[in-house]
Amino acid sequence: DTGVSQNPRHKITKRGQNVTFRCDPISEHNRLYWYRQTLGQGPEFLTYFQNEAQLEKSRLLSDRFSAERPKGSFSTLEIQRTEQGDSAMYLCASSLISEFHTAGNTIYFGEGSWLTVV
Amino acid sequence: KNQVEQSPQSLIILEGKNCTLQCNYTVSPFSNLRWYKQDTGRGPVSLTIMTFSENTKSNGRYTATLDADTKQSSLHITASQLSDSASYICVVSALDSGYALNFGKGTSLLVTP
Repeated sequence: DTGVSQNPRHKITKRGQNVTFRCDPISEHNRLYWYRQTLGQGPEFLTYFQNEAQLEKSRLLSDRFSAERPKGSFSTLEIQRTEQGDSAMYLCASSLISEFHTAGNTIYFGEGSWLTVV
Repeated sequence: KNQVEQSPQSLIILEGKNCTLQCNYTVSPFSNLRWYKQDTGRGPVSLTIMTFSENTKSNGRYTATLDADTKQSSLHITASQLSDSASYICVVSALDSGYALNFGKGTSLLVTP
């Protein structure tokens, strides 16, 4: 399967613990996005990378959240000192952006990582 | 205020019937509009992408239309199947913000036997 892969798919953690999610994008995709989605809502933008550079972070991304993409391939999203309000599905997506074709490129989503903070 | 509004919020139809979902947006300057299908607990799957110059695009039984002048799009599902039961999300991108996907809240479709 060469789609966007996310691990773990489900995580239950106690409040105050740290959690880390991993995303493996489609090979050679240079752009990688993280979104958060709660029940009944559309995904909310968290951050995105162009290769290894983190180019934008949403104000939703508090200082307890950190994302990395060290080699421009896989990415990790870490949440420190988790709170119950962090319970959501964390979606990763990737796309291939070229200077010649930036409009209308397909963005592929992973299956998401469900976080439940108890 | 959300820049992408979808209607109806939810819809129930009988298997075999057609339906149309609506998306109105205020995102500007417009770059492209996408429709995604999201099964419960799964990631969104792309159905169609339309840029400014395109006003209709089909993907099997799914046909999306775009009116960039009125900033409206619709997704028409023909001969619905039980497997069409899902949330359908409209996503609009602006030209000057390539990363920012503006998501609607989705229309929840239930197809019943």
